[in-house]
Amino acid sequence: DAKTTQPTSMDCAEGRAANLPCNHSTISGNEYVYWYRQIHSQGPQYIIHGLKNNETNEMASLIITEDRKSSTLILPHATLRDTAVYYCIAKTSYDKVIFGPGTSLSVIP
Amino acid sequence: EPEVTQTPSHQVTQMGQEVILRCVPISNHLYFYWYRQILGQKVEFLVSFYNNEISEKSEIFDDQFSVERPDGSNFTLKIRSTKLEDSAMYFCASSAGRTGSGANEQFFGPGTRLTVL
Repeated sequence: DAKTTQPTSMDCAEGRAANLPCNHSTISGNEYVYWYRQIHSQGPQYIIHGLKNNETNEMASLIITEDRKSSTLILPHATLRDTAVYYCIAKTSYDKVIFGPGTSLSVIP
Repeated sequence: EPEVTQTPSHQVTQMGQEVILRCVPISNHLYFYWYRQILGQKVEFLVSFYNNEISEKSEIFDDQFSVERPDGSNFTLKIRSTKLEDSAMYFCASSAGRTGSGANEQFFGPGTRLTVL
């Protein structure tokens, strides 16, 4: 699996967009970018994934650079319930998920 | 919305006892996984299971651990003789397998908190 690097922590004001960056400069052509999050003591939650194109679903948007070496997860209107640890993972489809330290996002009222 | 369920939510056992953690994956999913998270640490992969056999396991998944899909709906993790260091939250996950998008997102259950005394 490609190594990813994320900031250790970030703050975001409630109602504002949260932009979480991820670097994956060694990603290979068949590896997807997945985002998961873990709200305290709960099971990890799948958010979104992408290969080359930008993606959007009901939870978030994923922007992947053209060279695929980095991506940004966007939560368009962060709420207090979005406070969690966010994990960016680059892997092939059927690989296990390897969780790194992630980014601890705090949404502030 | 379909979800992965796990029972029990909390299990307390004595060291040396056997425990079985149960999971009901999302129906029609083909790939199944167990992960664990020791308090304050990151989530760690234990084992993946496909087509009624283990497809990959980590070094944590030693001879004390086993997995089984006894029927069409349940997926279990057995720890034969529990140790104090087995105390952790255990998460089950499942994924659909070959989808049109080519990706294989995993959906996690809420976890079973295992406490070994």
